[in-house]
Amino acid sequence: GQNIDQPTEMTATEGAIVQINCTYQTSGFNGLFWYQQHAGEAPTFLSYNVLDGLEEKGRFSSFLSRSKGYSYLLLKELQMKDSASYLCAVSDSNYQLIWGAGTKLIIKP
Amino acid sequence: DGGITQSPKYLFRKEGQNVTLSCEQNLNHDAMYWYRQDPGQGLRLIYYSQIVNDFQKGDIAEGYSVSREKKESFPLTVTSAQKNPTAFYLCASSGTGGTGANVLTFGAGSRLTVL
Repeated sequence: GQNIDQPTEMTATEGAIVQINCTYQTSGFNGLFWYQQHAGEAPTFLSYNVLDGLEEKGRFSSFLSRSKGYSYLLLKELQMKDSASYLCAVSDSNYQLIWGAGTKLIIKP
Repeated sequence: DGGITQSPKYLFRKEGQNVTLSCEQNLNHDAMYWYRQDPGQGLRLIYYSQIVNDFQKGDIAEGYSVSREKKESFPLTVTSAQKNPTAFYLCASSGTGGTGANVLTFGAGSRLTVL
């Protein structure tokens, strides 16, 4: 079956760096997405990786290793507003998105 | 500004009643989707549509129905056949084709509670 694994919850300190991991097993691969979702709100797109390597976008970076079925989202200079759930999703061979359960990130002062 | 509008934001339903959730987009996107979100689980696809007057079942379509009479609109009906309808429902849209095809834009969600 198809599966996306990510930690349920993580805690970090304001101003620090945190890495959220995502491992996947899917039938085919057409890209990996990260979305941010604040409690009770809609997910918003953060990043897309289809080739191996690091994509940097301001304070957020996303890394992909297709051979390892692994990605991570790196958040630098954490701010209180970064407290949210981070969703990992993989586009499979049919371009259907398979979603992880999300990682709830708690930022402490 | 372009976006997706879902309504109502909160909805309460008695057992045995059908309810319809509205989803309207002005992004000129061809594809539209309905997802269900439950605590501790990933988003699960209910139905999707890639073109007007056509739609396909997702992973958990039982107890739900949709229509796609206009490009802008993709309403979801939660029927009395859905055994556990209490959830957060998210509508999304995207373009079709190319690397950006799967980048979804979501509505604000509708929270349905069955009393």
